[in-house]
Amino acid sequence: DAMVIQNPRYQVTQFGKPVTLSCSQTLNHNVMYWYQQKSSQAPKLLFHYYDKDFNNEADTPDNFQSRRPNTSFCFLDIRSPGLGDAAMYLCATSVQGGGTEAFFGQGTRLTVV
Amino acid sequence: GENVEQHPSTLSVQEGDSAVIKCTYSDSASNYFPWYKQELGKRPQLIIDIRSNVGEKKDQRIAVTLNKTAKHFSLHITETQPEDSAVYFCAASKTNTDKLIFGTGTRLQVFP
Repeated sequence: DAMVIQNPRYQVTQFGKPVTLSCSQTLNHNVMYWYQQKSSQAPKLLFHYYDKDFNNEADTPDNFQSRRPNTSFCFLDIRSPGLGDAAMYLCATSVQGGGTEAFFGQGTRLTVV
Repeated sequence: GENVEQHPSTLSVQEGDSAVIKCTYSDSASNYFPWYKQELGKRPQLIIDIRSNVGEKKDQRIAVTLNKTAKHFSLHITETQPEDSAVYFCAASKTNTDKLIFGTGTRLQVFP
């Protein structure tokens, strides 16, 4: 059974057109993460929520926003996608953050045209 | 903040040989060190982890060692098989933060 579900698996958006990626979890974990992974690179943390507390990485562009309306769902909004934002976006959860295993979704591959 | 370096970036071994991947971390307060395997087009999946109160942990053909003094930890895969071919990421975190910081990854190829 899928525990961290990302939709869609593949997303094509136009340059500058807002896009939203979604993530849901059935694990009831406190922490949800969004990572950006470009080809052959490590996942780069964009931000995370501990429950409703939002934590932004210092180098995450303002173009990226996130919402977590409830425990189960988390959204990544890209306000004006550029060609450089094409990447795999990975959602992950952990029961309480540092020191606990992170469970990843299958990812959404974003293409910007 | 935490910085994790990983070496080598690529590693090719013959089936049956051993593979070793090494990581160093910068934050001495980090106390949890997982290793993830990511096959092409798939999600990263945890294969083994170690906490700072342990020096070594083994699970069948996979082992991880930790040297807290030197701030480095290593993944050892013995009797490699072609299905071990993937990208491996080390990571580090500490219990008083929520972050999991990844190393740069190692692409392991096991040739039959």
